Amino acid sequence: GQSLEQPSEVTAVEGAIVQINCTYQTSGFYGLSWYQQHDGGAPTFLSYNALDGLEETGRFSSFLSRSDSYGYLLLQELQMKDSASYFCAVRPLNRDDKIIFGKGTRLHILP
Amino acid sequence: DGGITQSPKYLFRKEGQNVTLSCEQNLNHDAMYWYRQDPGQGLRLIYYSQIVNDFQKGDIAEGYSVSREKKESFPLTVTSAQKNPTAFYLCASSATSGRAGEQYFGPGTRLTVT
Repeated sequence: GQSLEQPSEVTAVEGAIVQINCTYQTSGFYGLSWYQQHDGGAPTFLSYNALDGLEETGRFSSFLSRSDSYGYLLLQELQMKDSASYFCAVRPLNRDDKIIFGKGTRLHILP
Repeated sequence: DGGITQSPKYLFRKEGQNVTLSCEQNLNHDAMYWYRQDPGQGLRLIYYSQIVNDFQKGDIAEGYSVSREKKESFPLTVTSAQKNPTAFYLCASSATSGRAGEQYFGPGTRLTVT
């Protein structure tokens, strides 16, 4: 089968750095994406890794290692507004345009 | 401004009634999707459509139906056959020729059935 595993919850302190991991089991995919969802809101696209390595977008960075079936989202200089759920997602090869989402990681930020 | 709209934001229905959720996009995207999200859960795919007049079942299609008569519109009907319809419903779209994995979501419809 195809699945993505993420921790259900992570807690960090305002101003700190936090890493949210995503491990996956899929035979092949185009790339790894990350989405952010605030309570009651819709998911919004954060980043995409088509190739192995680190992609940086402001305070957020995302990493992919296909050989390790692993990726992560790194959030730096945490702000209270970063309190949200974060989902990793992949579009497997040969699955038309379907995207598989992880169950999400709830990030709690302490002042 | 381009985007996806869903209406209504909140919807209340009695058990046994069918209800249709609206989803419209002006992003000129070919692919559209419907997801269901339950509290503390991830996104589960109900139906998706890659092109007008064609759609495929997702992982939890039972009790739901869709149509794709126009590129811009992808309404979802929650039928009385759906055993647990109360949930947050999200519509999304993507450009099939674009970066794989990037979907744009509407604001969602929160359906409560009593």
